[in-house]
Amino acid sequence: DQQVKQNSPSLSVQEGRISILNCDYTNSMFDYFLWYKKYPAEGPTFLISISSIKDKNEDGRFTVFLNKSAKHLSLHIVPSQPGDSAVYFCAASPSNTGNQFYFGTGTSLTVIP
Amino acid sequence: GAVVSQHPSRVICKSGTSVKIECRSLDFQATTMFWYRQFPKQSLMLMATSNEGSKATYEQGVEKDKFLINHASLTLSTLTVTSAHPEDSSFYICSARGGRQGQETQYFGPGTRLLVL
Repeated sequence: DQQVKQNSPSLSVQEGRISILNCDYTNSMFDYFLWYKKYPAEGPTFLISISSIKDKNEDGRFTVFLNKSAKHLSLHIVPSQPGDSAVYFCAASPSNTGNQFYFGTGTSLTVIP
Repeated sequence: GAVVSQHPSRVICKSGTSVKIECRSLDFQATTMFWYRQFPKQSLMLMATSNEGSKATYEQGVEKDKFLINHASLTLSTLTVTSAHPEDSSFYICSARGGRQGQETQYFGPGTRLLVL
């Protein structure tokens, strides 16, 4: 049972525009969420996180929005750069202890120069 | 950020042999490490949680006798795939828990590509 879902397997965006990656979850016990970036044949790299006490967290070009009532989070990248092209995974955890993460299936982002 | 290494990065072996994969936290101590497996175009699937000084906790459906995990020190966890078969071919990724208290996350290694012939 996939508790974290990324319904868009791929996304293409023009360089300089905004990339919006979406993630939905089903478990209401999740209260800590993260986004990871992954290149082929490499391990995921942590990007940004958000705890359920917030609805927005920003770090440079990356902003994560959390809508708890809709069980939905999104990652905004603006402006998008060709180097952002990668697979993005969202992950959710029932706590902020760093344990027991549940990953989505990933969205492959392509930023077109 | 924290660095986690894996060795080897790629291994090809014959069916029936055993393969050991090492996961090291290079600049921090990790009492807890995690082993994931990723099939092509699929999500990361947690296999087991490796605890320093105690037995690993395996996820449902993961054979503990096939995937032996040893967490001998605060910086090293090993995954041994015993009697490997072609269906064990996959991308294995470890991670180590770290970060500031209350904002902990998992730092991932670069992964190990296993191909069983």
